[in-house]
Amino acid sequence: GAVVSQHPSWVICKSGTSVKIECRSLDFQATTMFWYRQFPKQSLMLMATSNEGSKATYEQGVEKDKFLINHASLTLSTLTVTSAHPEDSSFYICSARDLRLQETQYFGPGTRLLVL
Amino acid sequence: SQQGEEDPQALSIQEGENATMNCSYKTSINNLQWYRQNSGRGLVHLILIRSNEREKHSGRLRVTLDTSKKSSSLLITASRAADTASYFCATDDAGNQFYFGTGTSLTVIP
Repeated sequence: GAVVSQHPSWVICKSGTSVKIECRSLDFQATTMFWYRQFPKQSLMLMATSNEGSKATYEQGVEKDKFLINHASLTLSTLTVTSAHPEDSSFYICSARDLRLQETQYFGPGTRLLVL
Repeated sequence: SQQGEEDPQALSIQEGENATMNCSYKTSINNLQWYRQNSGRGLVHLILIRSNEREKHSGRLRVTLDTSKKSSSLLITASRAADTASYFCATDDAGNQFYFGTGTSLTVIP
């Protein structure tokens, strides 16, 4: 199946710093990528949808200036958590799909962020 | 919120028994998909069922879809300890948005 990678797999940072998370589709071109966050023992909450070459669409309640998303190429999307605070600590998961080929979203392994 | 709901929230069974979990959703959908997540890991796609399908099988998995009731069920037969994980349904609506259910935590006791 299609493979999606995320980097880093975990990160610890100080409050106030910015953290960038990369999501790559390794063996297919992702016309659309999605970013989710997941709190312990809870479901995935969609944060934003990004289409290659255009601005991301954010879900209600998600601050676009706080969570910067860039989908500059068909294989890479980045999520930058700006001025991170402890409440931003979470598990961030990306997924990618190629609508030209299939309906399934393929998920990355996730990035665990801990803000001290 | 467009998030679906799953029940039960937690399920504990003996190895060899069948496990059934249910998912209800709110909007019209193109398809519904089931995923599995081991603790602290990413999601693994299990099965996709389209809105015009009523039942689908894949190995020990059986999925049903009732669009009139906006509900789906996932049956895992002859469960194994390795099936212990959280299971999520996700709906793909006509606007190509993808929303996850609340999840069912399954524990299979050896």
